Amino acid sequence: NAGVMQNPRHLVRRRGQEARLRCSPMKGHSHVYWYRQLPEEGLKFMVYLQKENIIDESGMPKERFSAEFPKEGPSILRIQQVVRGDSAAYFCASSIGQDYGYTFGSGTRLTVV
Amino acid sequence: SQELEQSPQSLIVQEGKNLTINCTSSKTLYGLYWYKQKYGEGLIFLMMLQKGGEEKSHEKITAKLDEKKQQSSLHITASQPSHAGIYLCGAPGGANSKLTFGKGITLSVRP
Repeated sequence: NAGVMQNPRHLVRRRGQEARLRCSPMKGHSHVYWYRQLPEEGLKFMVYLQKENIIDESGMPKERFSAEFPKEGPSILRIQQVVRGDSAAYFCASSIGQDYGYTFGSGTRLTVV
Repeated sequence: SQELEQSPQSLIVQEGKNLTINCTSSKTLYGLYWYKQKYGEGLIFLMMLQKGGEEKSHEKITAKLDEKKQQSSLHITASQPSHAGIYLCGAPGGANSKLTFGKGITLSVRP
């Protein structure tokens, strides 16, 4: 039973390019959360999704960031026109439902050069 | 909004020593998660506490949630180099069970 799978583990993008981060939740988990960890800061909530629905995106920057969790396939966090300030570790967590605890993936470390 | 303060910010202990780290919430906790993170890696779930006064142990790590449900402590007995890492506390707050995290405590264990 594989855990939460995130890929790629490391991603380097030039300023202005697009970054796509993927998250495959644990088998049977239909709730996905994305968090961002900036250098010297704690983990910050970004977005909460269930299959085909965005439930809470209160932590998402207003521009350039989007997330989806389609009926089939992984959840995708997409960052358009990346800037250096987007460099961070992005973690995905999945759950079988609210109040059931979370399993985190190993993260994707995005570096914008 | 809920804030979690972790103390101390960092800690260096000699192998074999006991240690305690804390997580204090600005609001009543309705659950408290402890995670460990190795530098550059993902989060490893340690324990979850929900009830005031609750205490859980796993191997040499014990976590407690106080009766007032505003503070949690994590105690490590006879520390080992494998305990080194960043310890994060997280709490669900508001709707949708999203977690608010503290900034973490960096633990180093000297052999």
